[in-house]
Amino acid sequence: DTGVSQNPRHKITKRGQNVTFRCDPISEHNRLYWYRQTLGQGPEFLTYFQNEAQLEKSRLLSDRFSAERPKGSFSTLEIQRTEQGDSAMYLCASSFAKGNTIYFGEGSWLTVV
Amino acid sequence: GQQLNQSPQSMFIQEGEDVSMNCTSSSIFNTWLWYKQEPGEGPVLLIALYKAGELTSNGRLTAQFGITRKDSFLNISASIPSDVGIYFCAGRETSYDKVIFGPGTSLSVIP
Repeated sequence: DTGVSQNPRHKITKRGQNVTFRCDPISEHNRLYWYRQTLGQGPEFLTYFQNEAQLEKSRLLSDRFSAERPKGSFSTLEIQRTEQGDSAMYLCASSFAKGNTIYFGEGSWLTVV
Repeated sequence: GQQLNQSPQSMFIQEGEDVSMNCTSSSIFNTWLWYKQEPGEGPVLLIALYKAGELTSNGRLTAQFGITRKDSFLNISASIPSDVGIYFCAGRETSYDKVIFGPGTSLSVIP
């Protein structure tokens, strides 16, 4: 297993367009997390799944954001009607259900122009 | 809400010097994690701590879980240029499942 995989690594989109990011977690991991990180800040929690169930969503996750993990394996994060303030790195991480250690992917950079 | 503070915000040190940084929370944590992030990459786990008072090493890195469960520190001995990066602490509060991050400590090593 090569770790958490995210794609695309970079996405430039025009304001108002929809974008989707994909995350493939470490295969044995039940939990999958999405974070957002802007320059000079630490990662901010957005949401997490245990298997296919979305267990918690941050208030940062506006109704333009939706995350899914339909089969309990890979996950997608969709941002609708993108705004310039959505420009950030979107990080995915995974862990065992009972484990406390989370492992990150390399992130997906979004630039909204 | 949950919040982590890290200090110092940034450090400029000479190669070979030891480094110490810490992280404090406003609430009790049951897990402390230390990550390093380099530009354009995701955070990489350095050390995980699970019990109050635990002291764990990973090569030149040593981290401790504070006995109050509200703080942790990370030491780097004999720094080298490849230690440059941003170091984040992260933790899980006892009543929550999510892991939250501090704002980071930026480390620069002068050869």
